[in-house]
Amino acid sequence: EDKVVQSPLSLVVHEGDTVTLNCSYEVTNFRSLLWYKQEKKAPTFLFMLTSSGIEKKSGRLSSILDKKELSSILNITATQTGDSAIYLCAVSPPQKGKLVFGAGTILRVKS
Amino acid sequence: NAGVTQTPKFRVLKTGQSMTLLCAQDMNHEYMYWYRQDPGMGLRLIHYSVGEGTTAKGEVPDGYNVSRLKKQNFLLGLESAAPSQTSVYFCASSTGRGGAGEQYFGPGTRLTVT
Repeated sequence: EDKVVQSPLSLVVHEGDTVTLNCSYEVTNFRSLLWYKQEKKAPTFLFMLTSSGIEKKSGRLSSILDKKELSSILNITATQTGDSAIYLCAVSPPQKGKLVFGAGTILRVKS
Repeated sequence: NAGVTQTPKFRVLKTGQSMTLLCAQDMNHEYMYWYRQDPGMGLRLIHYSVGEGTTAKGEVPDGYNVSRLKKQNFLLGLESAAPSQTSVYFCASSTGRGGAGEQYFGPGTRLTVT
């Protein structure tokens, strides 16, 4: 069964801290790994990592895929209160059209 | 473009009642999805569609039915609602190129079954 596990389940940091969120997966021959940010309502897309693109960066956020360890990390540097959200990791299995999501990491950034 | 829209935004049902949730997208996407989100459980796929007239089961399909009669619409039906179906329901769509790829989500429907 395809499985995605995220850790930690939640964490609280202070503004300016750097955080690392983890995602591990048990999906054979996956197509891609995606990170989403969910604030009050709908998840919004952050990054997609594939075998041809194992590192992505956008501003203070960056993500790396470790295909050997079957895992990915999402780094956020110089955190701000606006980074408070649920961060979701998802993997696309070989069966066309599906994503399998992890339970998410709840991040709270205190001012 | 409105993107992905969902109707209704909130609903309260009594056990045994039925209802239909409507999802519409104006991005000409091939793939559409219905998820439910419960605390601590992330997003779980209920049903999905890879094109007009097609549907497939996801992780948690029991108690739900879907239809994709038009490319832009994806309907989720509950025939006989149960309290276990209390949840937030999200619809999403994607182009389908390269697999599931980047999915665009609607604002969600909060459903309570009493």
